[in-house]
Amino acid sequence: SAVISQKPSRDICQRGTSLTIQCQVDSQVTMMFWYRQQPGQSLTLIATANQGSEATYESGFVIDKFPISRPNLTFSTLTVSNMSPEDSSIYLCSVPGQTIGEAFFGQGTRLTVV
Amino acid sequence: QQQVKQSPQSLIVQKGGISIINCAYENTAFDYFPWYQQFPGKGPALLIAIRPDVSEKKEGRFTISFNKSAKQFSLHIMDSQPGDSATYFCAARASANSNYQLIWGAGTKLIIKP
Repeated sequence: SAVISQKPSRDICQRGTSLTIQCQVDSQVTMMFWYRQQPGQSLTLIATANQGSEATYESGFVIDKFPISRPNLTFSTLTVSNMSPEDSSIYLCSVPGQTIGEAFFGQGTRLTVV
Repeated sequence: QQQVKQSPQSLIVQKGGISIINCAYENTAFDYFPWYQQFPGKGPALLIAIRPDVSEKKEGRFTISFNKSAKQFSLHIMDSQPGDSATYFCAARASANSNYQLIWGAGTKLIIKP
């Protein structure tokens, strides 16, 4: 199994500002995923981050709004840029497990934009 | 065709009862079907999973039933307990999908009444 430390756990931010979320994994992983989860909703994949290459973004998400860094095999950051209240959500990082379909998640970052 | 449809959206069950959550899919390339459990303030955690070559998998009080011809699968929680109150997500993955992505259901909020 993988243990993922994600921070901050929550934040309240002013609109127009940016927030960087950090994700630290206790083992080396090739892929890391960033998800957004609206309260009471399912998980929406934002992007897949591979070490040494640019992140791959899903439809509806762009690098200018959600820049991702992946400097090594245990760490990644997601920045939510120029925030608006519509960005209020829970952001989760995730890594795949050894078993097909297994995934491990951080505890999430609850972001509120005011 | 990439969707996984989950129902019901919410479910209230008396303590000791059976909780049943259903999912359906269209993509026959899916070959791994995990269920995840998420408590408030936490990331989802793998609960139980099944491959389509078996019709049922049981782990303790949790059972997955799989109907390949109908492209449906369900989670049964026997002797439901208040500690089972959480949001449950079904998911699906195609092993030929090298990017490890899971396709998520919409989630079911389960409340077990004492």
